[in-house]
Amino acid sequence: EAQVTQNPRYLITVTGKKLTVTCSQNMNHEYMSWYRQDPGLGLRQIYYSMNVEVTDKGDVPEGYKVSRKEKRNFPLILESPSPNQTSLYFCASSLMGGRIVTDTQYFGPGTRLTVL
Amino acid sequence: AQKVTQAQTEISVVEKEDVTLDCVYETRDTTYYLFWYKQPPSGELVFLIRRNSFDEQNEISGRYSWNFQKSTSSFNFTITASQVVDSAVYFCALSPPADRGSTLGRLYFGRGTQLTVWP
Repeated sequence: EAQVTQNPRYLITVTGKKLTVTCSQNMNHEYMSWYRQDPGLGLRQIYYSMNVEVTDKGDVPEGYKVSRKEKRNFPLILESPSPNQTSLYFCASSLMGGRIVTDTQYFGPGTRLTVL
Repeated sequence: AQKVTQAQTEISVVEKEDVTLDCVYETRDTTYYLFWYKQPPSGELVFLIRRNSFDEQNEISGRYSWNFQKSTSSFNFTITASQVVDSAVYFCALSPPADRGSTLGRLYFGRGTQLTVWP
């Protein structure tokens, strides 16, 4: 089954404790992206990647890191989480044609993160 | 600049009523994609439809229909004979397809409309 998976689905942590949220897709998509969803703000892009070893910032990258060492995986790293990073996080992936995203972005199930 | 406005924050209807969710967008691009996603209470984002800016044909899928009007920059979503299972947050989104650096492939989301269907 074609899907985007994220782990963990729920996480409660404390300020400053490094964490990683994993994202994996089995559709051989080149494009992957992370969004955060906050009440009243909709979804905002954090980082995106057009292929292995190619990543770039979205609109709200501060406090986050990403890596793309393999095509299927795109982990989101919070090196020193703070309470304002409490949010619902979504990973998404899509096909690309050249440098253009050509297909619908499919989303993972979401990761609800609480930073105390 | 790209922007999506969903002016209706919350809508409540009774089962079997028809309901229309409004979406107005702003873009200077001549080519773009428009999307609708559904987010049920369980939290996942479910893709509903994608529409190319060159295709203004309305689309119907079961009880769902979409009205795309370039002249008014609107892409409205209608649910006919609503059901309790339609209760969710619905997001409209816009994506410019061109290679524009940090906007590449990005989805610009509206803030969502919470639809509640009462039995």
